[in-house]
Amino acid sequence: KAGVTQTPRYLIKTRGQQVTLSCSPISGHRSVSWYQQTPGQGLQFLFEYFSETQRNKGNFPGRFSGRQFSNSRSEMNVSTLELGDSALYLCASSFDSGANVLTFGAGSRLTVL
Amino acid sequence: QKEVEQDPGPLSVPEGAIVSLNCTYSNSAFQYFMWYRQYSRKGPELLMYTYSSGNKEDGRFTAQVDKSSKYISLVIRDSQPSDSATYLCAMSGTSGAGSYQLTFGKGTKLSVIP
Repeated sequence: KAGVTQTPRYLIKTRGQQVTLSCSPISGHRSVSWYQQTPGQGLQFLFEYFSETQRNKGNFPGRFSGRQFSNSRSEMNVSTLELGDSALYLCASSFDSGANVLTFGAGSRLTVL
Repeated sequence: QKEVEQDPGPLSVPEGAIVSLNCTYSNSAFQYFMWYRQYSRKGPELLMYTYSSGNKEDGRFTAQVDKSSKYISLVIRDSQPSDSATYLCAMSGTSGAGSYQLTFGKGTKLSVIP
């Protein structure tokens, strides 16, 4: 059974650019959550999508957005990148919304120069 | 004060040692407590999941929750080099649709030396 797949695994952008990250959840999982992981703040919740609807949102600026498609795949977008956006972005999937047991992908490592 | 406090370490122990990792929290609404393990260049994976107070054992791992003290711990017995990873505690107030997201500690980096 395939796990959670995130692409790309590594990317480098410059300030002001935008980036789109992709996440394919485990087959049958309908909820996708996104987290940002940095050494200083740890894992911080970005948002959760379930059945193409955003169910919950963390305390991040509007530059961070996401969406979910009918096949449960999800994308997140960060516009007008800042140096502080450099982080590991983790996607996690679960069968139901609001689950505590999450299956994480390996993450997308974003470096902003 | 952050909702969840976790000593980042790093913690280095010899193989076979007993290791205790812990987190404290301030939100009394937390009822679900988890430990995730994260290997280098990997995503976190669920290790232990407990509800409310008490102990839960799984092989060499024991998760303990003391809600009165707002304190949780993970004890690893007979530690192995393969246990070398970052351990993240996580908590939530509810489960299911409409519930809050998980709140994570910053993680404790553990190295088990052969």
